[in-house]
Amino acid sequence: LAKTTQPISMDSYEGQEVNITCSHNNIATNDYITWYQQFPSQGPRFIIQGYKTKVTNEVASLFIPADRKSSTLSLPRVSLSDTAVYYCLVGGLLSNDYKLSFGAGTTVTVRA
Amino acid sequence: SAVISQKPSRDICQRGTSLTIQCQVDSQVTMMFWYRQQPGQSLTLIATANQGSEATYESGFVIDKFPISRPNLTFSTLTVSNMSPEDSSIYLCSADVPTGKSYEQYFGPGTRLTVT
Repeated sequence: LAKTTQPISMDSYEGQEVNITCSHNNIATNDYITWYQQFPSQGPRFIIQGYKTKVTNEVASLFIPADRKSSTLSLPRVSLSDTAVYYCLVGGLLSNDYKLSFGAGTTVTVRA
Repeated sequence: SAVISQKPSRDICQRGTSLTIQCQVDSQVTMMFWYRQQPGQSLTLIATANQGSEATYESGFVIDKFPISRPNLTFSTLTVSNMSPEDSSIYLCSADVPTGKSYEQYFGPGTRLTVT
């Protein structure tokens, strides 16, 4: 399983953009990069997934450089309700690592 | 997408007893997974449960302690056997939903287990 490294915590204020960078130096050719969000007392929730370049949905953007050894989750204009733990994971259908290995995650705290 | 439910949502059990947690998916899925999450910690994968085959356990987890059933493509159970206070944790099930070349994994709300 490709190992990921991300900051333990980040603080922000309402309305700001939050960027969380994840390192995955050993990512395999067939691995996808997926980000999850988890609120207290809830299961993780899928946010976004990408393979290369940039992916955007209604919640976030995911930036992946050409070498794919890192990725950055961008949360635009955060609100208090975005306070959560964010996990970066790598794996995918075509690789053997279809099961996900969760790292420590990044605790994002949004303040008023 | 997929909606996953778990029963019970929480339970308080006595040492030495067993608890079976149920996981129901609203669509047919091939792969289901069971995780454990200690308070304030990340998720640890217990085992992978595919329909029609025995569950595959991760290092540190054994079938005698965590027997798993996967009778069909929408349902799985995890039993926590002969419980001790160290088994107090949140247990989550998840399922992989294929999206072309990859999967999106959906999680249940978790079962909060307290062993006294």
